[in-house]
Amino acid sequence: DAGVTQSPTHLIKTRGQHVTLRCSPISGHKSVSWYQQVLGQGPQFIFQYYEKEERGRGNFPDRFSARQFPNYSSELNVNALLLGDSALYLCASSLLAGSYNEQFFGPGTRLTVL
Amino acid sequence: AQSVTQLDSQVPVFEEAPVELRCNYSSSVSVYLFWYVQYPNQGLQLLLKYLSGSTLVKGINGFEAEFNKSQTSFHLRKPSVHISDTAEYFCAVSEDTGGFKTIFGAGTRLFVKA
Repeated sequence: DAGVTQSPTHLIKTRGQHVTLRCSPISGHKSVSWYQQVLGQGPQFIFQYYEKEERGRGNFPDRFSARQFPNYSSELNVNALLLGDSALYLCASSLLAGSYNEQFFGPGTRLTVL
Repeated sequence: AQSVTQLDSQVPVFEEAPVELRCNYSSSVSVYLFWYVQYPNQGLQLLLKYLSGSTLVKGINGFEAEFNKSQTSFHLRKPSVHISDTAEYFCAVSEDTGGFKTIFGAGTRLFVKA
């Protein structure tokens, strides 16, 4: 079975631009979470979606938004990019929404903002 | 608010020696605890988790961890490390509040020397 897939793998943008990152969960998983991992730090929780509804949100500005589609894939959108948005963006899927569920992580999208 | 502290940013150790990676957390409610490993340029992989029951948890690749509620710790151990264990290790905490938010520590870089 395929694991969590993310696209693109790498992305270079300039300040002020908009970016869309995509994630496909493991087949049968209904929950998708997004994390930002700045170099040298642990992942920071951005969003969790379950059955197309937002179930959790971290301390990120409104420039960050996400959605989940009927096939459970997800998009993370970031508007008005800042240099500080440069990071590895990780998507994780889990079978259900509860915080006890094991999360399966994708390889990430490396975003560089110039 | 919950938080996670990984007490060592880097741990160098010789091959076949034992290792302990330390993790402390703070939370006012019941928690679920996780250890993840991240190899270079990859996503995170679950090593083990504590949800309830026995405080000694065994995971993959010979790792184990012990939950100590009184000391709010969840230290990771391996009796004999291999070169291939060189990676970044993250401790993570989720609160049992019905919501969904996983907090990760800053990570510990384990470097196994020949």
